[in-house]
Amino acid sequence: KQEVTQIPAALSVPEGENLVLNCSFTDSAIYNLQWFRQDPGKGLTSLLLIQSSQREQTSGRLNASLDKSSGRSTLYIAASQPGDSATYLCAVRPHSSASKIIFGSGTRLSIRP
Amino acid sequence: DTGVSQNPRHKITKRGQNVTFRCDPISEHNRLYWYRQTLGQGPEFLTYFQNEAQLEKSRLLSDRFSAERPKGSFSTLEIQRTEQGDSAMYLCASSLPQGAGTEAFFGQGTRLTVV
Repeated sequence: KQEVTQIPAALSVPEGENLVLNCSFTDSAIYNLQWFRQDPGKGLTSLLLIQSSQREQTSGRLNASLDKSSGRSTLYIAASQPGDSATYLCAVRPHSSASKIIFGSGTRLSIRP
Repeated sequence: DTGVSQNPRHKITKRGQNVTFRCDPISEHNRLYWYRQTLGQGPEFLTYFQNEAQLEKSRLLSDRFSAERPKGSFSTLEIQRTEQGDSAMYLCASSLPQGAGTEAFFGQGTRLTVV
């Protein structure tokens, strides 16, 4: 059974710092991995999608990497800003059930001005 | 707005009442998903449609829950005889049909509070 874990559950850093959020998954047989942002009480905004054949994707100050063999992904945020404060969720689409997206519990990020 | 649309955004209901939520996916997306999210947790899969066919249901979807997508466009999720444990955010997502590697787009969710 595919499980997705995100550590830490919460993170607080001062503005301007570069930071890394971690995601691990138990079964490397995935089609893709997706990072989402969720603001309090809101829905999910897709940030980056990495296909299983890819190693990384970049969008602006965000860079996501994927190491499928070790079951890990990282989301790198450069030059953090208070507006980056949100919960970041990692999700995989497993081969065992392509209709499902399996989520981690998220990392709640707070950027201090 | 061409994103996934969910209505209502908020619903407060008394225990034992029935509620229905609506999801309008992105127009060219034939795949539609329902998820439930409780506080501090990631979303949990409830059910999946490809066009009008409901192809998979989670064990979380008890017999009080029913989902439909009658014409392969919008979908509804109904909860009968609501319980306090049903209080959660209900999220809808859609994706394109090409292969299994496509990106999922989520709506803003419907927050249900059962009192």
